[in-house]
Amino acid sequence: SSELTQDPAVSVALGQTVRVTCQGDILRSYYATWYQQKPGQAPVVVLYGNNNRPSGIPDRFSGSSSGDTASLTITGAQAEDEAAYYCKCRDGSGNHLIFGGGTKLTVL
Amino acid sequence: QVQLLQSGAELKRPGASVEVSCKASGYTFPTFDISWVRQAPGEGLEWMGRISGHSGDTNYAQKFQDRLRMTRDTSTSTAYMELKNLKSDDTAVYYCARHWVAGRSTSDWFDPWGQGTLVIVSS
Repeated sequence: SSELTQDPAVSVALGQTVRVTCQGDILRSYYATWYQQKPGQAPVVVLYGNNNRPSGIPDRFSGSSSGDTASLTITGAQAEDEAAYYCKCRDGSGNHLIFGGGTKLTVL
Repeated sequence: QVQLLQSGAELKRPGASVEVSCKASGYTFPTFDISWVRQAPGEGLEWMGRISGHSGDTNYAQKFQDRLRMTRDTSTSTAYMELKNLKSDDTAVYYCARHWVAGRSTSDWFDPWGQGTLVIVSS
């Protein structure tokens, strides 16, 4: 079955660059979507498709993909970026959606 | 602005059913699917399924095939998610979200999300 694997936790110093990764064979076929979720709030999409940012998402968020790994990069992390980040894409059937386990980002 | 407004929290006994509603506003309801996602306490996100706002066709995650039902009412721009035979591990926040698809289905994203509905299953 398709799976997406994320590191459970990552930390970054304020103003530095951090990469959050998502690994899975299915990423060779589909783009990953990235969501940010702060405690007690609904998730918000930060990246979708081929590195597309919805309006209102700062340009310090960017995405890339290579082989079976998709990455979300925050260039110049801010305190308000501290959150859980989830990747998502279609599964092997192409009809269902799967989430990664999530990465808790701490900004030091 | 586009908004999804969900129904309020529910407390249910094991074996019961729950229905959560999701009322859309600010866009033409039939032009998008609605997906449902749940999140158990302290856990990650889990996609449950989707319903077409236009046709009402559904697509459920395998895990929920036998006890999940999604419907929609285009006259009120409302989507519904019913989960039957509830168990304690169905305790979660349930979200609806407007489902976008692009690029020959190579990319899906959810925007916006509803505020979430807490369902507690306890005897």
